[in-house]
Amino acid sequence: DGGITQSPKYLFRKEGQNVTLSCEQNLNHDAMYWYRQDPGQGLRLIYYSQIVNDFQKGDIAEGYSVSREKKESFPLTVTSAQKNPTAFYLCASRWQGNEKLFFGSGTQLSVL
Amino acid sequence: GQNIDQPTEMTATEGAIVQINCTYQTSGFNGLFWYQQHAGEAPTFLSYNVLDGLEEKGRFSSFLSRSKGYSYLLLKELQMKDSASYLCAVRASRADSWGKLQFGAGTQVVVTP
Repeated sequence: DGGITQSPKYLFRKEGQNVTLSCEQNLNHDAMYWYRQDPGQGLRLIYYSQIVNDFQKGDIAEGYSVSREKKESFPLTVTSAQKNPTAFYLCASRWQGNEKLFFGSGTQLSVL
Repeated sequence: GQNIDQPTEMTATEGAIVQINCTYQTSGFNGLFWYQQHAGEAPTFLSYNVLDGLEEKGRFSSFLSRSKGYSYLLLKELQMKDSASYLCAVRASRADSWGKLQFGAGTQVVVTP
């Protein structure tokens, strides 16, 4: 079955620690996105990538980093510079030429 | 700045109709999306409007008025499985990637028996 897989489902971060959230898709989509979801707020775009080896900052990129070495994969690292990392993180992908986003089932990140 | 407003919560009875309104004030406009999200799950695409008018897809319809900065999602013949959060999102600029969207906070719809 084609789809987007995010792992882990739940992740805990200690103070000063970097953590990496995985996002893999086998839909052959060109573009991939990371959104952050907080209670009572709309989804906010962190980073996006339209082709391999290229990515752009979204609205709230500070404290995050990404890479896009393979078409299928777009991992997000939450660095220690992100002071309020507790949130639900959603990865999405899209086929070029189509407006529809396909989302993964998310990773809930919490701070210990 | 970008501002997208939708009600926080709506409650309706199974079999009824519910209309979820969304108003937006964005720097530009190039399309409005509705997504459905069940708790703890992935949002799924429902509709896309770029021109004024009503788009109907089975039990769900979406309306857009660009001059009023207004959209609604109409859910007919409500079923228990329709209990979810409904997200309104705008693509503000034609130059933006299609996935670069501004989202409202979502409307939680509760369907009661």
